[in-house]
Amino acid sequence: GENVEQHPSTLSVQEGDSAVIKCTYSDSASNYFPWYKQELGKGPQLIIDIRSNVGEKKDQRIAVTLNKTAKHFSLHITETQPEDSAVYFCAASIQGAQKLVFGQGTRLTINP
Amino acid sequence: DAGVIQSPRHEVTEMGQEVTLRCKPISGHDYLFWYRQTMMRGLELLIYFNNNVPIDDSGMPEDRFSAKMPNASFSTLKIQPSEPRDSAVYFCASSQQLAGEETQYFGPGTRLLVL
Repeated sequence: GENVEQHPSTLSVQEGDSAVIKCTYSDSASNYFPWYKQELGKGPQLIIDIRSNVGEKKDQRIAVTLNKTAKHFSLHITETQPEDSAVYFCAASIQGAQKLVFGQGTRLTINP
Repeated sequence: DAGVIQSPRHEVTEMGQEVTLRCKPISGHDYLFWYRQTMMRGLELLIYFNNNVPIDDSGMPEDRFSAKMPNASFSTLKIQPSEPRDSAVYFCASSQQLAGEETQYFGPGTRLLVL
């Protein structure tokens, strides 16, 4: 079955700097890769996703890149702000299969 | 839409008691998922349903756990008897069956503490 590894487990950056979180997956059939943000006391919320027919996707300060050959994908947050502090999860699934496998999460702290 | 609704938000119970967690998915969503989140194990999928039918319950830890979905707008996750190691946050999520629309929407979770 699919296995998703996420690094780092914790990340601290200065406000305004960039943050990068990386994930690797094991199942080459996986073709859907969402990223979720979880704030304290809340459920995870989708912030961006990418499908295997695309190498990069951007939404304002957030971007995701995918390398199918190496089976890894990354989340990039630029111009970080205090409200970006949260736990971020990557996930992978086979499109249409509905079942997601999540990484272990990265606790991101933005220092003012 | 109000999003995925879970109740209760917090539950404190004693070991051996029965616990029932409830979930109302987003209207029109075909899939419903139950997850458990702990510091040690992260976010684990317990079971998911498609059109009220359980599809994959391989994540259910043991027979003490059971889940039902009697109709499209309601699901329960029951633990009987509960044990301290069941303490965790339990999330319900739902999604649509449409290709390209498989985003899972999570509820706020139920924080369970078993003493």
